[in-house]
Amino acid sequence: KQEVTQIPAALSVPEGENLVLNCSFTDSAIYNLQWFRQDPGKGLTSLLLIQSSQREQTSGRLNASLDKSSGRSTLYIAASQPGDSATYLCAVEYGNKLVFGAGTILRVKS
Amino acid sequence: EAGVAQSPRYKIIEKRQSVAFWCNPISGHATLYWYQQILGQGPKLLIQFQNNGVVDDSQLPKDRFSAERLKGVDSTLKIQPAKLEDSAVYLCASSYLQGSEATNEKLFFGSGTQLSVL
Repeated sequence: KQEVTQIPAALSVPEGENLVLNCSFTDSAIYNLQWFRQDPGKGLTSLLLIQSSQREQTSGRLNASLDKSSGRSTLYIAASQPGDSATYLCAVEYGNKLVFGAGTILRVKS
Repeated sequence: EAGVAQSPRYKIIEKRQSVAFWCNPISGHATLYWYQQILGQGPKLLIQFQNNGVVDDSQLPKDRFSAERLKGVDSTLKIQPAKLEDSAVYLCASSYLQGSEATNEKLFFGSGTQLSVL
């Protein structure tokens, strides 16, 4: 059974800081790993998708890495802004379904 | 491009009542998903449709939950009768590709229906 864990559960940082969110999974037999953003009362928005053969993906101030062998991924956010405040979820595509972590609640203070 | 539409946005019912949620996926998307997200947890897949056929309903509590996707477009998720533990956000998502091609395909989520069972 695949289990996805995200650390920390919540994070509060001042504006401008660089930060790292962590995701770990128990079974390395994944097709890909995705990072999503969820705003209060909204659905999920896909941020980055890393295929199992890839090591990292970048989009603007976001960089996600994947180490399948150790079952870990990190999401790096550079120069954080108040607009980055949201819940960040990672999910692995395992079998034919996405298995989600519980998320990290991020608050960026101005 | 219009996104995934869901209604209602909020629903409050008493336990043992029935409730239905509606989802309209992005036009042309073959695959449709219903997820349940309990407060403080990640979304959990309830059912996956490919066109109007069920691909995976292994985590759907079939004694009280049912879902259909008539004509391979809109979908309805029903709970009858509801229990207190069904309080959650119900998210609908869709993706363009289907079957084995759906691997590595991004999902597009609707805003969800927040259900409170009292």
